[in-house]
Amino acid sequence: DTAVSQTPKYLVTQMGNDKSIKCEQNLGHDTMYWYKQDSKKFLKIMFSYNNKELIINETVPNRFSPKSPDKAHLNLHINSLELGDSAVYFCASSQSVRTSQETQYFGPGTRLLVL
Amino acid sequence: SQQGEEDPQALSIQEGENATMNCSYKTSINNLQWYRQNSGRGLVHLILIRSNEREKHSGRLRVTLDTSKKSSSLLITASRAADTASYFCATFTGGGNKLTFGTGTQLKVEL
Repeated sequence: DTAVSQTPKYLVTQMGNDKSIKCEQNLGHDTMYWYKQDSKKFLKIMFSYNNKELIINETVPNRFSPKSPDKAHLNLHINSLELGDSAVYFCASSQSVRTSQETQYFGPGTRLLVL
Repeated sequence: SQQGEEDPQALSIQEGENATMNCSYKTSINNLQWYRQNSGRGLVHLILIRSNEREKHSGRLRVTLDTSKKSSSLLITASRAADTASYFCATFTGGGNKLTFGTGTQLKVEL
């Protein structure tokens, strides 16, 4: 009965590889997010989708491409991984971006290490 | 750019004591939220306070908001070892439709 789940939990890969992280929420929410948390624990939003439509696209390299096949899933594909991509990536969801009361529910995170 | 700055960066107290964390932000907000992150885990929502509210309580948590000073504080009363975690404030600005997180306070509650 996990609310927001991510796979994999850990990802260790070589520089230059392409990898994907998957996220699923069973809360019936319309909006999903990807955040990156760096080694200093600073958490920054990367993307947000509302009902499969991209609504937030922060200054993120083109190597990062989100995909939302349906409103319960938001995947993150990363091409040509770089050392600086090493971080913890969190998926989150909220009921709807159109209300001003936005509690977000976070997944457990995917720890990415690029060697 | 970063919206919230939290103070202190780290806080160590004894079980039973109160813990106070402060958050300052830069732009007008719709609401301010506090989240907890246990080591190696995701963030968990604690409490939300709207821009027209000044104080809110939830169990052992008390949050205040001063929009004139663009600051908020989180008070945890009668702390427990299980409260050991990082605490983040996050501001929601309707125009951007996104949460912007602060730098976090690492709280350690010792037995």
